[in-house]
Amino acid sequence: DAGVIQSPRHEVTEMGQEVTLRCKPISGHNSLFWYRQTMMRGLELLIYFNNNVPIDDSGMPEDRFSAKMPNASFSTLKIQPSEPRDSAVYFCASTRGGLRTGSYEQYFGPGTRLTVT
Amino acid sequence: DAKTTQPNSMESNEEEPVHLPCNHSTISGTDYIHWYRQLPSQGPEYVIHGLTSNVNNRMASLAIAEDRKSSTLILHRATLRDAAVYYCILRHPAYSGAGSYQLTFGKGTKLSVIP
Repeated sequence: DAGVIQSPRHEVTEMGQEVTLRCKPISGHNSLFWYRQTMMRGLELLIYFNNNVPIDDSGMPEDRFSAKMPNASFSTLKIQPSEPRDSAVYFCASTRGGLRTGSYEQYFGPGTRLTVT
Repeated sequence: DAKTTQPNSMESNEEEPVHLPCNHSTISGTDYIHWYRQLPSQGPEYVIHGLTSNVNNRMASLAIAEDRKSSTLILHRATLRDAAVYYCILRHPAYSGAGSYQLTFGKGTKLSVIP
């Protein structure tokens, strides 16, 4: 299994530009999570999906951030317009989920390091 | 939400056992105790989890206090590859009750392994 795949691995963009981060979860996993990690705030959950449906987006910082999961094998996190304070490493994770059955651990991708100048 | 408290950093000699403590005095009866670690420049990696009983797997052991207000992650023989930030996390039910569980990461314990 290839694990969780994220692209791009590094992104450098100018303030005001649109940024799209991509994630392919592990096949068969039905839950997907987007996290952001900075030195100041640590690892924060932004949004998560279950069966392609957004369940909780309370961690999304503001309207400039949006996330979609059009199918079970693909998700995007979009920032428009981007700002320097959005610079961080963005991780995607997936899990089988389930209230009483299945795997409990989350599998993380390698992350996308975003730099907004 | 129940919180966890971990030391900011710890050191260990290579090939020695390491005991990483975690306090969670406000844990609820349904919270699982999860441990993840993050190696430099990588995403977090699952280590182990438990509810009430001690647990062992190929990576580590998890010792849970009888009152569940604390736990200890045990690495039996530390290697240089074990140098990482270790997170102790209480797994919460999803807000909607549907399908999956959130993980809330704290600052963790940075483990340094001395050759």
